[in-house]
Order: sequence, then structure tokens, then C-alpha cells
Amino acid sequence: KQEVTQIPAALSVPEGENLVLNCSFTDSAIYNLQWFRQDPGKGLTSLLLIQSSQREQTSGRLNASLDKSSGRSTLYIAASQPGDSATYLCAVTAGTALIFGKGTTLSVSS
Amino acid sequence: DGGITQSPKYLFRKEGQNVTLSCEQNLNHDAMYWYRQDPGQGLRLIYYSQIVNDFQKGDIAEGYSVSREKKESFPLTVTSAQKNPTAFYLCASIAAPTSIGTKNIQYFGAGTRLSVL
Repeated sequence: KQEVTQIPAALSVPEGENLVLNCSFTDSAIYNLQWFRQDPGKGLTSLLLIQSSQREQTSGRLNASLDKSSGRSTLYIAASQPGDSATYLCAVTAGTALIFGKGTTLSVSS
Repeated sequence: DGGITQSPKYLFRKEGQNVTLSCEQNLNHDAMYWYRQDPGQGLRLIYYSQIVNDFQKGDIAEGYSVSREKKESFPLTVTSAQKNPTAFYLCASIAAPTSIGTKNIQYFGAGTRLSVL
């Protein structure tokens, strides 16, 4: 059974710092991997989607990588800002629905 | 603007009562999903539907029921059989059922927070 793990569970950084969030999955037979952002009490917003044949995707200050063979993905956030404070979830698709990790809660202080 | 609308935002259930959470989408998406989110637990799949008049159980379907009579609507009923219903419920949709090579992004509603009185 596919399991998705995110480390660390929480992270606090000062504004301007570059940071990396980690996601690992146990079964490499995935269709794609998505990174989402969730603000407190809100729904999820898709940030980046990496197809199984791709190695990375970039959007603004965000860069996500995928290494299927090792079952790992990273989300790199450059020059962090207080507005980046949120919970970041990764999810893999290998069938009809997404399987989510528990998320990393990021706090960026000014 | 296209999107997914969930209502109500907050809902309270009394003992033995059934309650229904609404989910409507105007994205013309085929597939719709219901997830439950508990603190520190991540999202877990309750039910999903890939086409009208068809739906399948997810990992935690016990105590819940759904219907899909229209493409744009996928209501979730939390029945009295669900003994621990307090959670944040999220509805999602996607253009077509996922398959390898597709780039379908899953869109989410703003959620309904259900509590027990």
C-alpha cells in the first residue's frame, strides 16, 4: 500500500532564507506528484504538478523535483516571505485518487 | 469564475442525526472526490465518483453516503452510523479520471467544518 511521508512536520525560518521541504513515497509506480498549499481553515491550492516522466517543475520562487527511483520529491522555496507561511502537502496519484502526506507546517518570521 | 463551492462552511450535528454537506462545481469536471482531514492525519479519501450515477468507496466510507445525480453536484451525507464525525471535509474535482501521462490538476473547495453538539 502506498504511503507518503513528509519531513519535517513543522519548520520555522527567518524571512529571506531558502528552504527545502521533503516528501517520500513507498511505491514508485505513480502517475504524478503534486504539491499543495493549505492556509489555516481553508481548502488546498495546487502549486506544482510533476508528471512521472518529468524530473522537476518550476513556478516563480518554487521548484519541485521528483526522483521516482528513490521515491522522493523536494519542494524548494527561494527567498522565503511571511506570506509563504502555510501547510504544504504532497500527494501522489497512482490510480483514481490522490494519496496525501500529513504535511509540513511552515512559519516564516519577518 | 469557475470553481468548487462547498456549503455550509460550518455545520453542527446532534446525536443520531444525519447531515448533508453540499459540493457543487462549475468546472465541467468528470470526477469528484470527498476527503476527510483530521489534525495531524492528512487527507483520507471517503468516496469518489468518476461519472454521473456511479461512485466508489474510498478508504474510510463507513458511516457516509453519497449520490451523483448531476455532473456538477456530489453531496455527502454523514449518517448517525459515523460515530466520530468531527473533522474538516474537503470536496475536490478533476477534469478526467487520472491516468499515466495526464497532467490533470485536482481542484479543491474551501471545506466544511463539522462538529458534534
